[in-house]
Amino acid sequence: HVQLVESGGGVVQPGGSLRLSCAASGFTFSSYGMHWVRQAPGKGLEWVAHTRFDGSKKYYADSVKGRFTISRDNSKNTVFLQMNSLRGEDTAVYYCAKDWAPRDWGQGTLVTVSS
Amino acid sequence: DIQMTQSPSSLSASVGDRVTITCQASQDINNSLNWYQQKPGKAPKVLIYDAANLETGVPSRFSGSGSGTDFTFTISSLQPDDIATYYCQQYDNLPLTFGQGTRLEIK
Repeated sequence: HVQLVESGGGVVQPGGSLRLSCAASGFTFSSYGMHWVRQAPGKGLEWVAHTRFDGSKKYYADSVKGRFTISRDNSKNTVFLQMNSLRGEDTAVYYCAKDWAPRDWGQGTLVTVSS
Repeated sequence: DIQMTQSPSSLSASVGDRVTITCQASQDINNSLNWYQQKPGKAPKVLIYDAANLETGVPSRFSGSGSGTDFTFTISSLQPDDIATYYCQQYDNLPLTFGQGTRLEIK
Protein backbone atom coordinates (compact mmCIF):
# COMPACT_ATOMS: atom_id res chain seq x y z
CA HIS A 1 0.00 0.00 0.00
CA VAL A 2 1.68 3.19 -1.23
CA GLN A 3 1.80 6.00 1.29
CA LEU A 4 3.19 9.51 0.71
CA VAL A 5 3.19 11.98 3.60
CA GLU A 6 4.21 15.59 3.04
CA SER A 7 5.35 17.91 5.81
CA GLY A 8 7.13 21.21 6.30
CA GLY A 9 4.50 23.64 5.10
CA GLY A 10 3.65 26.82 6.96
CA VAL A 11 3.54 30.59 6.79
CA VAL A 12 6.64 32.39 5.52
CA GLN A 13 7.37 35.98 4.57
CA PRO A 14 8.12 36.98 0.98
CA GLY A 15 11.78 36.34 0.25
CA GLY A 16 11.94 33.60 2.85
CA SER A 17 12.74 29.90 2.58
CA LEU A 18 11.01 26.66 3.41
CA ARG A 19 11.92 22.98 3.02
CA LEU A 20 9.20 20.47 2.28
CA SER A 21 9.59 16.73 2.87
CA CYS A 22 7.68 13.77 1.48
CA ALA A 23 8.12 10.47 3.33
CA ALA A 24 7.34 7.43 1.21
CA SER A 25 6.43 3.88 2.18
CA GLY A 26 4.82 0.80 0.70
CA PHE A 27 7.02 0.58 -2.40
CA THR A 28 10.68 0.45 -3.42
CA PHE A 29 11.32 4.19 -3.27
CA SER A 30 14.76 4.05 -4.90
CA SER A 31 13.22 2.62 -8.10
CA TYR A 32 10.84 5.50 -8.84
CA GLY A 33 11.04 9.07 -9.97
CA MET A 34 9.10 11.59 -7.91
CA HIS A 35 7.24 14.82 -8.68
CA TRP A 36 6.16 17.87 -6.75
CA VAL A 37 2.88 19.42 -7.94
CA ARG A 38 1.15 22.44 -6.44
CA GLN A 39 -2.31 23.96 -6.37
CA ALA A 40 -2.92 27.60 -5.51
CA PRO A 41 -6.13 28.31 -3.56
CA GLY A 42 -9.14 27.86 -5.83
CA LYS A 43 -6.93 27.18 -8.86
CA GLY A 44 -5.84 24.22 -10.96
CA LEU A 45 -2.86 21.91 -10.72
CA GLU A 46 0.67 23.00 -11.66
CA TRP A 47 3.67 20.72 -11.99
CA VAL A 48 6.70 22.03 -10.08
CA ALA A 49 9.63 19.62 -10.25
CA HIS A 50 10.74 16.04 -10.94
CA THR A 51 13.69 13.94 -9.84
CA ARG A 52 14.74 10.70 -11.43
CA PHE A 53 14.84 7.55 -9.30
CA ASP A 54 18.52 7.99 -8.49
CA GLY A 55 18.54 11.79 -8.28
CA SER A 56 20.83 12.00 -11.31
CA LYS A 57 18.55 14.34 -13.23
CA LYS A 58 16.20 17.04 -12.03
CA TYR A 59 13.67 19.11 -13.89
CA TYR A 60 11.84 22.29 -12.94
CA ALA A 61 8.95 24.44 -14.06
CA ASP A 62 10.09 27.80 -15.43
CA SER A 63 8.16 29.53 -12.64
CA VAL A 64 10.45 28.03 -9.95
CA LYS A 65 13.72 27.47 -11.80
CA GLY A 66 16.65 28.95 -9.88
CA ARG A 67 14.61 29.29 -6.67
CA PHE A 68 13.48 25.73 -5.87
CA THR A 69 15.61 22.60 -5.58
CA ILE A 70 14.32 19.04 -5.57
CA SER A 71 16.42 16.35 -3.91
CA ARG A 72 16.00 12.89 -2.45
CA ASP A 73 17.52 10.60 0.16
CA ASN A 74 16.92 7.03 -0.91
CA SER A 75 18.28 5.73 2.40
CA LYS A 76 15.43 7.56 4.17
CA ASN A 77 12.75 7.08 1.47
CA THR A 78 12.22 10.82 1.36
CA VAL A 79 12.05 13.47 -1.34
CA PHE A 80 12.54 17.14 -0.54
CA LEU A 81 11.69 20.51 -2.05
CA GLN A 82 13.89 23.39 -0.92
CA MET A 83 12.08 26.63 -1.69
CA ASN A 84 14.03 29.91 -1.58
CA SER A 85 13.14 33.50 -2.50
CA LEU A 86 9.47 32.72 -1.96
CA ARG A 87 6.83 34.95 -3.52
CA GLY A 88 3.12 35.44 -2.93
CA GLU A 89 2.33 33.43 -6.05
CA ASP A 90 4.04 30.40 -4.51
CA THR A 91 1.18 30.16 -1.99
CA ALA A 92 -0.34 26.73 -2.62
CA VAL A 93 -0.89 23.21 -1.41
CA TYR A 94 2.17 21.20 -2.42
CA TYR A 95 1.75 17.53 -3.28
CA CYS A 96 4.37 14.88 -3.90
CA ALA A 97 3.50 12.19 -6.42
CA LYS A 98 5.10 8.87 -7.32
CA ASP A 99 6.41 7.84 -10.73
CA TRP A 100 6.64 9.51 -14.15
CA ALA A 101 2.91 8.97 -14.74
CA PRO A 102 1.70 9.82 -11.25
CA ARG A 103 -1.05 7.61 -9.90
CA ASP A 104 -0.24 7.96 -6.19
CA TRP A 105 -0.26 11.33 -4.45
CA GLY A 106 0.26 12.51 -0.89
CA GLN A 107 -2.35 14.50 1.03
CA GLY A 108 -0.48 17.79 0.50
CA THR A 109 1.05 20.47 2.70
CA LEU A 110 0.00 24.12 2.62
CA VAL A 111 2.56 26.85 2.03
CA THR A 112 1.44 30.43 2.62
CA VAL A 113 3.72 33.29 1.59
CA SER A 114 2.55 36.44 3.28
CA SER A 115 3.86 39.36 5.29
CA ASP B 1 5.07 22.87 -23.48
CA ILE B 2 2.06 20.71 -24.32
CA GLN B 3 -1.20 22.57 -23.77
CA MET B 4 -4.22 20.60 -22.55
CA THR B 5 -7.58 22.13 -23.44
CA GLN B 6 -10.37 20.65 -21.32
CA SER B 7 -14.08 21.31 -21.75
CA PRO B 8 -16.48 22.19 -20.41
CA SER B 9 -15.17 24.16 -17.44
CA SER B 10 -18.35 23.41 -15.51
CA LEU B 11 -21.22 21.02 -15.92
CA SER B 12 -24.56 20.52 -14.22
CA ALA B 13 -26.29 17.17 -14.64
CA SER B 14 -28.93 15.00 -13.00
CA VAL B 15 -28.38 11.75 -11.13
CA GLY B 16 -28.38 8.94 -13.69
CA ASP B 17 -27.26 11.15 -16.57
CA ARG B 18 -24.39 10.28 -18.88
CA VAL B 19 -21.63 12.88 -18.52
CA THR B 20 -18.80 13.50 -20.97
CA ILE B 21 -15.69 15.65 -20.61
CA THR B 22 -13.19 16.19 -23.40
CA CYS B 23 -9.51 17.03 -23.40
CA GLN B 24 -7.44 18.06 -26.40
CA ALA B 25 -3.65 18.08 -26.45
CA SER B 26 -1.70 20.63 -28.49
CA GLN B 27 0.41 17.81 -29.94
CA ASP B 28 0.37 14.03 -30.16
CA ILE B 29 0.77 12.50 -26.69
CA ASN B 30 0.01 8.90 -27.75
CA ASN B 31 -2.06 7.53 -24.84
CA SER B 32 -0.04 9.26 -22.07
CA LEU B 33 -3.05 10.66 -20.25
CA ASN B 34 -4.51 10.42 -16.76
CA TRP B 35 -7.95 11.50 -15.58
CA TYR B 36 -8.24 12.63 -11.96
CA GLN B 37 -11.12 13.34 -9.61
CA GLN B 38 -10.57 15.94 -6.90
CA LYS B 39 -12.93 16.67 -4.05
CA PRO B 40 -12.58 19.83 -1.90
CA GLY B 41 -9.65 19.67 0.49
CA LYS B 42 -8.42 16.37 -0.92
CA ALA B 43 -5.60 15.27 -3.18
CA PRO B 44 -6.36 14.33 -6.78
CA LYS B 45 -7.31 10.68 -7.20
CA VAL B 46 -6.52 8.91 -10.46
CA LEU B 47 -9.54 7.26 -12.10
CA ILE B 48 -8.19 6.48 -15.57
CA TYR B 49 -4.56 5.96 -16.63
CA ASP B 50 -3.01 5.46 -20.07
CA ALA B 51 -6.12 7.18 -21.47
CA ALA B 52 -8.44 4.18 -21.16
CA ASN B 53 -7.44 1.96 -18.23
CA LEU B 54 -9.62 1.95 -15.12
CA GLU B 55 -7.63 2.27 -11.91
CA THR B 56 -8.10 -0.58 -9.45
CA GLY B 57 -11.07 -0.04 -7.17
CA VAL B 58 -12.67 2.66 -9.31
CA PRO B 59 -16.33 2.03 -10.24
CA SER B 60 -16.95 0.82 -13.77
CA ARG B 61 -19.29 3.76 -14.55
CA PHE B 62 -16.10 5.75 -15.20
CA SER B 63 -14.34 5.27 -18.54
CA GLY B 64 -11.84 6.95 -20.83
CA SER B 65 -11.03 6.79 -24.51
CA GLY B 66 -8.89 8.43 -27.15
CA SER B 67 -5.35 8.58 -28.39
CA GLY B 68 -3.09 11.11 -30.06
CA THR B 69 -4.59 14.52 -29.35
CA ASP B 70 -8.27 13.92 -28.54
CA PHE B 71 -9.53 12.27 -25.38
CA THR B 72 -12.87 11.68 -23.71
CA PHE B 73 -13.85 10.91 -20.11
CA THR B 74 -17.32 9.51 -19.44
CA ILE B 75 -19.45 8.80 -16.40
CA SER B 76 -22.15 6.45 -17.66
CA SER B 77 -24.65 7.11 -14.87
CA LEU B 78 -23.95 10.07 -12.61
CA GLN B 79 -24.09 9.41 -8.88
CA PRO B 80 -24.25 11.97 -6.02
CA ASP B 81 -20.77 10.93 -4.86
CA ASP B 82 -19.34 11.99 -8.24
CA ILE B 83 -19.61 15.68 -7.36
CA ALA B 84 -16.04 16.89 -7.77
CA THR B 85 -13.64 18.63 -10.12
CA TYR B 86 -12.09 16.48 -12.85
CA TYR B 87 -8.72 17.05 -14.51
CA CYS B 88 -6.92 15.53 -17.46
CA GLN B 89 -3.12 15.40 -17.37
CA GLN B 90 -0.52 14.46 -19.96
CA TYR B 91 2.73 12.70 -19.07
CA ASP B 92 4.18 12.28 -22.54
CA ASN B 93 6.72 14.98 -21.79
CA LEU B 94 7.83 17.40 -19.10
CA PRO B 95 6.50 19.72 -17.94
CA LEU B 96 3.53 17.62 -16.91
CA THR B 97 0.52 19.68 -17.87
CA PHE B 98 -3.09 19.61 -16.77
CA GLY B 99 -6.40 20.65 -18.21
CA GLN B 100 -8.01 23.60 -16.43
CA GLY B 101 -10.54 21.31 -14.75
CA THR B 102 -14.27 20.58 -15.03
CA ARG B 103 -16.44 21.33 -12.02
CA LEU B 104 -19.30 18.85 -11.95
CA GLU B 105 -22.51 19.68 -10.08
CA ILE B 106 -25.76 17.87 -9.52
CA LYS B 107 -28.78 19.56 -11.08
